[in-house]
Amino acid sequence: DTGVSQDPRHKITKRGQNVTFRCDPISEHNRLYWYRQTLGQGPEFLTYFQNEAQLEKSRLLSDRFSAERPKGSFSTLEIQRTEQGDSAMYLCASSLVDPSVAQYFGPGTRLTVT
Amino acid sequence: GQSLEQPSEVTAVEGAIVQINCTYQTSGFYGLSWYQQHDGGAPTFLSYNGLDGLEETGRFSSFLSRSDSYGYLLLQELQMKDSASYFCAVRDTPPDDWGKLQFGAGTQVVVTP
Repeated sequence: DTGVSQDPRHKITKRGQNVTFRCDPISEHNRLYWYRQTLGQGPEFLTYFQNEAQLEKSRLLSDRFSAERPKGSFSTLEIQRTEQGDSAMYLCASSLVDPSVAQYFGPGTRLTVT
Repeated sequence: GQSLEQPSEVTAVEGAIVQINCTYQTSGFYGLSWYQQHDGGAPTFLSYNGLDGLEETGRFSSFLSRSDSYGYLLLQELQMKDSASYFCAVRDTPPDDWGKLQFGAGTQVVVTP
């Protein structure tokens, strides 16, 4: 069990640029989640997948955000035309379908938009 | 609206007991989880309560009262390594349709020598 991994760990980009983050979940986990966390706050749900199907997307997720999990394994989160308000830690988590009580989080990607 | 309330900070000495309360108002409720996060680290699952009562896992225990929309995390025999943020999180959809957790803002626990 190698845990959830995310890449890159840090990303600095200029406003208006596009960025893409990758998440590799624990191999036997069907479910994969993306959250965003800002300083002093808890993680906020963005979206989640069961296998390759995107089952729910938060209202927080504007049209500039898109996520994919093409083969039901790793996932990517893309942010287009980044804004300073997008600066945050982007966390990925995975879980089994049953039981699903525990989500296992990756170390996160810290995005800074200048 | 939906909300989870927990204290922002708690300070205690090594060896003491700390209780972190969490009250929630959500449109649906199927369980309460607790996560620990050290500075710069990833949230780590601690416990889950789907039914009323106490769940014990080593030095940590978690309690739920659905009728009071209230839960708590109890940290016993505090150690310096317990200094971290602790988040309560609600599952608000049925288990077979469950996708997301709704997190509180977190409680910073500071353990002093």
